[in-house]
Amino acid sequence: DTAVSQTPKYLVTQMGNDKSIKCEQNLGHDTMYWYKQDSKKFLKIMFSYNNKELIINETVPNRFSPKSPDKAHLNLHINSLELGDSAVYFCASSQDVGELFFGEGSRLTVL
Amino acid sequence: SQQGEEDPQALSIQEGENATMNCSYKTSINNLQWYRQNSGRGLVHLILIRSNEREKHSGRLRVTLDTSKKSSSLLITASRAADTASYFCATRSGGSNYKLTFGKGTLLTVNP
Repeated sequence: DTAVSQTPKYLVTQMGNDKSIKCEQNLGHDTMYWYKQDSKKFLKIMFSYNNKELIINETVPNRFSPKSPDKAHLNLHINSLELGDSAVYFCASSQDVGELFFGEGSRLTVL
Repeated sequence: SQQGEEDPQALSIQEGENATMNCSYKTSINNLQWYRQNSGRGLVHLILIRSNEREKHSGRLRVTLDTSKKSSSLLITASRAADTASYFCATRSGGSNYKLTFGKGTLLTVNP
């Protein structure tokens, strides 16, 4: 009974390709997030959705496009991948402004 | 911009010892949270302390908050090898409640 699940766990791809990461939460939370963790373990928020509405959009390149089809799902699509996009991407959810529940991460490697 | 800064960046102790990690932040907050991340895993929430609270306990964890100094500390007592992980503080600020901003983390190694 995984609370926040994201797929795939690993992605290895070439520069210029497009990739998607999917996230689902079964906690009934109303807010979902995407975070990027770099090689130095620094976590930076990218996007947040509350009840399917985009509420946080940090200075992320337009190549990154989130999509929330419903409250339980938040997907991330990345176009024209670059070397600097290599990182671990974490999905998380919370009920309003409470604690965050994280997925296990999706490690993206761009060659 | 980064809100929390943990100190030290790395800490190595022996099993049974106490571990103290500190976090400083810059702007006013609604609450401050501590998370643990085991290697290769997602983050796990440990404890949340609100801006009007000064101290909170959960099992072997003790968190303090000093809003006048804009700092917090996490104390793990009687550490175990299983406590080896990275520990992050994170803050929710008044301007954007939904934005939880993380510090760089402290890597704690507990030697058996």
